Amino acid sequence: AQTVTQSQPEMSVQEAETVTLSCTYDTSENNYYLFWYKQPPSRQMILVIRQEAYKQQNATENRFSVNFQKAAKSFSLKISDSQLGDTAMYFCAFMRSFGNEKLTFGTGTRLTIIP
Amino acid sequence: NAGVMQNPRHLVRRRGQEARLRCSPMKGHSHVYWYRQLPEEGLKFMVYLQKENIIDESGMPKERFSAEFPKEGPSILRIQQVVRGDSAAYFCASSPDRGRTGELFFGEGSRLTVL
Repeated sequence: AQTVTQSQPEMSVQEAETVTLSCTYDTSENNYYLFWYKQPPSRQMILVIRQEAYKQQNATENRFSVNFQKAAKSFSLKISDSQLGDTAMYFCAFMRSFGNEKLTFGTGTRLTIIP
Repeated sequence: NAGVMQNPRHLVRRRGQEARLRCSPMKGHSHVYWYRQLPEEGLKFMVYLQKENIIDESGMPKERFSAEFPKEGPSILRIQQVVRGDSAAYFCASSPDRGRTGELFFGEGSRLTVL
């Protein structure tokens, strides 16, 4: 079974600064996907970024980037030039590449951007 | 192209009543997943369905919970004889029929409150 651990229950950062959210996972699989989802107060689950484990290059989406360390089973999210709209819960998630597309989520990090 | 549609958005039930939550996947998607989010927790997988088939129900409680995805109409998550511990947000997600993308598309969730 896979597990996903987010060790930072809450974080806060000043607007325009950079923040990094941590995530580690445990799996015996070699091929898989990793995700960061954002859940704002509206509770909609929004995909922020996705990483395929076979790709060594770290994924980036505008102000969002990841540091994927496969050997260490670490998958951190960096948010640059943070904005007030980034305030949300952030969930790290794991999906096997084969079999059904079942996601295993971490417990989340509540991020607050301070004006 | 409408997203994943869930209804009702909010549902209040008294202990012992039944709750029915509906999910219409995105057009072209026939894979449906149900997740439950307890307060201050991450999402937990419940069940994975394709049209007329339950593929993986390893996350479903053994009693009182059932799910279906008929040939016509939405997927239904049914909770019989609700208890206070069933109070949670229930999210539905869908994925495409062809071409595994490793991405699930989430609805806005149904929040169940049991009095």
